[in-house]
Amino acid sequence: KAGVTQTPRYLIKTRGQQVTLSCSPISGHRSVSWYQQTPGQGLQFLFEYFSETQRNKGNFPGRFSGRQFSNSRSEMNVSTLELGDSALYLCASSGKSGGGRNEQFFGPGTRLTVL
Amino acid sequence: QKEVEQNSGPLSVPEGAIASLNCTYSDRVSQSFFWYRQYSGKSPELIMSIYSNGDKEDGRFTAQLNKASQYVSLLIRDSQPSDSATYLCAVKTGNMLTFGGGTRLMVKP
Repeated sequence: KAGVTQTPRYLIKTRGQQVTLSCSPISGHRSVSWYQQTPGQGLQFLFEYFSETQRNKGNFPGRFSGRQFSNSRSEMNVSTLELGDSALYLCASSGKSGGGRNEQFFGPGTRLTVL
Repeated sequence: QKEVEQNSGPLSVPEGAIASLNCTYSDRVSQSFFWYRQYSGKSPELIMSIYSNGDKEDGRFTAQLNKASQYVSLLIRDSQPSDSATYLCAVKTGNMLTFGGGTRLMVKP
């Protein structure tokens, strides 16, 4: 079974630009979560989507948004990029419901550098 | 604010020793607990999950859960240099997974 895939793997942008990251979950998984990881803040939860609906949201500004498609693929968008948005963005997919004992499996991540 | 706390380390152990990693959590209704391993520059990899009080063993790894004390630990027996990584504790409440800051483990040959 193929794992979680994320594209692109690396991205360099300049301040003020916007970026869209893509995530394809494990086949059959319907829950997709996004995280931002930085050396100083660790792994921080951005949002979770299930059945095309945002089910949970972390404490990030409105510049961070996402969506999920009917095939469970998900995208996240960051508008008006700031230097502090430089991070590893991780997507994780989880089983049929995403809750309870459903385990989350991570993709390889997208390394975003904002200059 | 639900919190998951880990000692950031580094925890240094000699090859062949037992490494003990600890994690505490604040939300008493948390239901599921996970340990992830993350090598430098890579994404987290799930290595253990535990849901009930007690011990769960998988190869050289043993996860221990004590819900009354809100404490979960990971033991790595016969530690190898390849175990050198950051270990992340994650606690699930409902659909939400909250991560600790991670403990960096160094296994010295």
